[in-house]
Parts: sequence; C-alpha cells; structure tokens
Amino acid sequence: AQKVTQAQTEISVVEKEDVTLDCVYETRDTTYYLFWYKQPPSGELVFLIRRNSFDEQNEISGRYSWNFQKSTSSFNFTITASQVVDSAVYFCALSDSYSGNTPLVFGKGTRLSVIA
Amino acid sequence: AAGVIQSPRHLIKEKRETATLKCYPIPRHDTVYWYQQGPGQDPQFLISFYEKMQSDKGSIPDRFSAQQFSDYHSELNMSSLELGDSALYFCASSHKSQGISTDTQYFGPGTRLTVL
Repeated sequence: AQKVTQAQTEISVVEKEDVTLDCVYETRDTTYYLFWYKQPPSGELVFLIRRNSFDEQNEISGRYSWNFQKSTSSFNFTITASQVVDSAVYFCALSDSYSGNTPLVFGKGTRLSVIA
Repeated sequence: AAGVIQSPRHLIKEKRETATLKCYPIPRHDTVYWYQQGPGQDPQFLISFYEKMQSDKGSIPDRFSAQQFSDYHSELNMSSLELGDSALYFCASSHKSQGISTDTQYFGPGTRLTVL
C-alpha cells in the first residue's frame, strides 16, 4: 500500500525566510512518481513538480527546489526567500504506476503561512 | 493554455436531493479523475476513466456514479445527498501515453458542494 506522510501540519515563517516542507512516502513499487501541489486560499490545486523514481537529481525552479532521496524515501520541498504569496497548503502526492497515470495518494498537507 | 473546466463552481443542495457535476478535460487529455476534498482534508480519489471506460475506483459511495462521454467530458452524479457529502469536488485530467509517460494530473478549480 502506498502512503505519504507530511509530518508538519502547519508552518509559520516571516517573509524572506527559507522554509522546507518534508514529505516521506511508502510504496512497494520500484517505479513510481512523486508530486507536489499547491492549494492557495482560493482553493484550486496547482501542479508544481513531478519526479519519477529513477531520477534522483535535485531540481530548482526559481525560488523553489526539491530534494529527492530514495535512501530515506523522502521528497522535500524548499522555498527560498519566502513571500506572502507562498502562503498556501502544500500537498505531496504519490502515484505508483510506470506511466504515472493512476490515482494520486496525497499526504495530509502542510499549511504554510508567510507573515509580512 | 487551456485548463480543466468544472461546472458549476458552487452548488447548494438539500439533503436527499441529487446533484450533477461536470468536468471538461484539457484538450487531447483522455483520462479523467474525480477527487473529493472534505474541509481541512486531503483530496481522496473517487473514480477515473480512460477512453470512456472506468479505469480505477476509489472510495466512491454507491449513491454516486460517473461516466465519461465521447467528447471526453465527464459527469459525476450524486443522489440521496447527505450532509457529509459537503466538500470540494475536483476533476483532474491527464494524457495516457505509451512508453515513457509525460502525463501529469492537472486539476480543475473544483466544485464546492454544500448540502443543507
């Protein structure tokens, strides 16, 4: 069975601070995909990144970076120089088929509040 | 770029009434997923369709049914509504491709259902 754990329920930081959101996953499959989605107060789910199990390279996109470590089954997300607009609930999710085209299993989410 | 369209965006119903939610996937996407997100919860998978056939089934109540039509849009039909059905209902779409997949589930803005 697949499981995604986001141990941090809520995080509050002051603007311009760096913040890391943790994600630990469990799966028996050797081929799987990991995702991060952002849910701002308006409610929509915004896709941020997709990473497959064969690619452990870290990725950076602007102020966002992701650290994937298979050895610890973790896929952590760091926001550098946080901004108020980063305030949202962030979900880590897992899909375990080769094509990534199976239902997503979400973590419980981490609510990030960035204070000006 | 075109996104997933859901209608209506908000819906208020009485207990025991029926509701129909509609989803129009991103053009050329052939797979549709339905998720339910209760207040303060993570999205839970309900059901998915690929090429108009049911693909996967999650925690969808027997009172709910869904289908995908020839134009790939999907409808989620909910009957005998209960107070506990009040939630945000997301539709997501993706493209199932052969070989190494590039598909990612892109979510619509959601339909907020309130059952009184």
